Amino acid sequence: EAGVTQSPTHLIKTRGQQVTLRCSPISGHTSVYWYQQALGLGLQFLLWYDEGEERNRGNFPPRFSGRQFPNYSSELNVNALELEDSALYLCASSLWGVNTGELFFGEGSRLTVL
Amino acid sequence: TQLLEQSPQFLSIQEGENLTVYCNSSSVFSSLQWYRQEPGEGPVLLVTVVTGGEVKKLKRLTFQFGDARKDSSLHITAAQPGDTGLYLCFTGTGNQFYFGTGTSLTVIP
Repeated sequence: EAGVTQSPTHLIKTRGQQVTLRCSPISGHTSVYWYQQALGLGLQFLLWYDEGEERNRGNFPPRFSGRQFPNYSSELNVNALELEDSALYLCASSLWGVNTGELFFGEGSRLTVL
Repeated sequence: TQLLEQSPQFLSIQEGENLTVYCNSSSVFSSLQWYRQEPGEGPVLLVTVVTGGEVKKLKRLTFQFGDARKDSSLHITAAQPGDTGLYLCFTGTGNQFYFGTGTSLTVIP
């Protein structure tokens, strides 16, 4: 069974540009979560999608947005990139609500903003 | 402010030593999970604790959930280089999800 897959694995952008990151959850998982991990430490919650709907978002500006498609894959879009957006962006999926289930993570997309 | 505070933030020890990592909060949780993230990979679930006072063992790792369900600890006995990684506690409440601040462990051979 394939795990959570993310693309691209690495990318370099310049300030002001826009980026789209993609995530395919484990087959059968309906919930997708996006996290930002800067400096190799704690994960900051960005977005939660379930059944195509945005269920919650973290404390990030509106230039961070996303969507979930009917096949449950998801995109994270970041507009007007800033230097501090440089980070590892992790996607996770789960079978049920996270309170009862395990989060399965992809290997992440490492974004560098110059 | 972080909902889940972990300590220490960084830990570097020799192979064979014991260590304890803490995850603390002022809030009560219905459950708490511990994840380990190795370099270049996403976090992987180690354990879920749900009952106050619960102790779970996973080989050399012992996890404890505080009696009041506000804190948890992870104890590693005789650490191995393979234990190196970032240890993260995590909880979800309703539609809110929080990872701890993380503990970066390095075990030196």
